[in-house]
Amino acid sequence: AQSVTQLGSHVSVSEGALVLLRCNYSSSVPPYLFWYVQYPNQGLQLLLKYTTGATLVKGINGFEAEFKKSETSFHLTKPSAHMSDAAEYFCAVSRSNTGNQFYFGTGTSLTVIP
Amino acid sequence: GAVVSQHPSWVICKSGTSVKIECRSLDFQATTMFWYRQFPKQSLMLMATSNEGSKATYEQGVEKDKFLINHASLTLSTLTVTSAHPEDSSFYICSARQGRTGELFFGEGSRLTVL
Repeated sequence: AQSVTQLGSHVSVSEGALVLLRCNYSSSVPPYLFWYVQYPNQGLQLLLKYTTGATLVKGINGFEAEFKKSETSFHLTKPSAHMSDAAEYFCAVSRSNTGNQFYFGTGTSLTVIP
Repeated sequence: GAVVSQHPSWVICKSGTSVKIECRSLDFQATTMFWYRQFPKQSLMLMATSNEGSKATYEQGVEKDKFLINHASLTLSTLTVTSAHPEDSSFYICSARQGRTGELFFGEGSRLTVL
């Protein structure tokens, strides 16, 4: 069975501050891990994904995430928050890169304070 | 990037009526599309997998007669909520898998409110 836990349904950071969105997963098989962002009234957009290889994954808009197997975590970070980063962020785990079984976390709403 | 469009974005209907939501891949062919449901403050839950030209595969606990899915072409899948009730009110999101790359692209979602 697979599941995803996102700690903190709401995160607020000041503009220019570090963004840290937490994601922990449970998976009975080596997981594929994803972060999606959803802006108001828009679809989910892929930020980054981990499949195999390097555990530090860089995505779009300056975001990156590190797969830590020992901690079963895939936290999303960005060194300096921008106002345009305000959105809903979803972590997801899957058995494959494109497979049917996508399990999403409950989402974290990021607010950036000017 | 590839675009997946859902229509309508918002729909309000009376209890007992049926509502159809469309999911279109605008610039690629999608052999497989997925339908999700999202309750407030909760995860996206996979409802069913829709393959072009064949019957949809429903997740456990999802009523296939309640949520009719049709994937008649490589660019269109529809979800029909039949005899809608207030408890069917939710946010429905589709995703489409691009045949060439296998990557998933998500629609913008459709919010259904049943009065």
